[in-house]
Amino acid sequence: GAVVSQHPSWVICKSGTSVKIECRSLDFQATTMFWYRQFPKQSLMLMATSNEGSKATYEQGVEKDKFLINHASLTLSTLTVTSAHPEDSSFYICSATGTGGVNEQFFGPGTRLTVL
Amino acid sequence: GQNIDQPTEMTATEGAIVQINCTYQTSGFNGLFWYQQHAGEAPTFLSYNVLDGLEEKGRFSSFLSRSKGYSYLLLKELQMKDSASYLCVLDNYGQNFVFGPGTRLSVLP
Repeated sequence: GAVVSQHPSWVICKSGTSVKIECRSLDFQATTMFWYRQFPKQSLMLMATSNEGSKATYEQGVEKDKFLINHASLTLSTLTVTSAHPEDSSFYICSATGTGGVNEQFFGPGTRLTVL
Repeated sequence: GQNIDQPTEMTATEGAIVQINCTYQTSGFNGLFWYQQHAGEAPTFLSYNVLDGLEEKGRFSSFLSRSKGYSYLLLKELQMKDSASYLCVLDNYGQNFVFGPGTRLSVLP
């Protein structure tokens, strides 16, 4: 199956700093990448959808200036949490869909962000 | 809009059979996924239904009825490792995916 990686897998940062999370499709070209956030004991909440070379589409209530998404190539998307605060502490998961077959999402392993 | 409902929690015994239901309201969708998610890990694919009916894959089966707005995931011969959250997800033609709230299944010895 297709493989999606995320880096880092776990990050702790101070309040007010920025954190960048990378999402890579390792063995396929991802036409679309999705960023999700998941709080404990809750389901995944879609933050934004990004297509290569175009601006991301953010879900209602997600601040685009705070969560910067860049999808510069068909294999890489980045999410930057700017001026992070403790309430941004969460599990961030990316997923990618390819060009053919079922619209299956291939999920990255997730990044656990803790803001002190 | 779209709305998906699942039971919040379920408990079953090792070796038993459990059915996790998912009901939804939507104007249209391409297919319906079921994912398994263990705590602290990303979701893993279980099944994808496009047509009405039952899709069987080993110990797991998934059913879809578009006319009734209903799907279920059936797990047979439960094992302890099946303790996880199970997510019902609508596929909006690959444009986005709408996740249900998830059902936390606990398998007891």
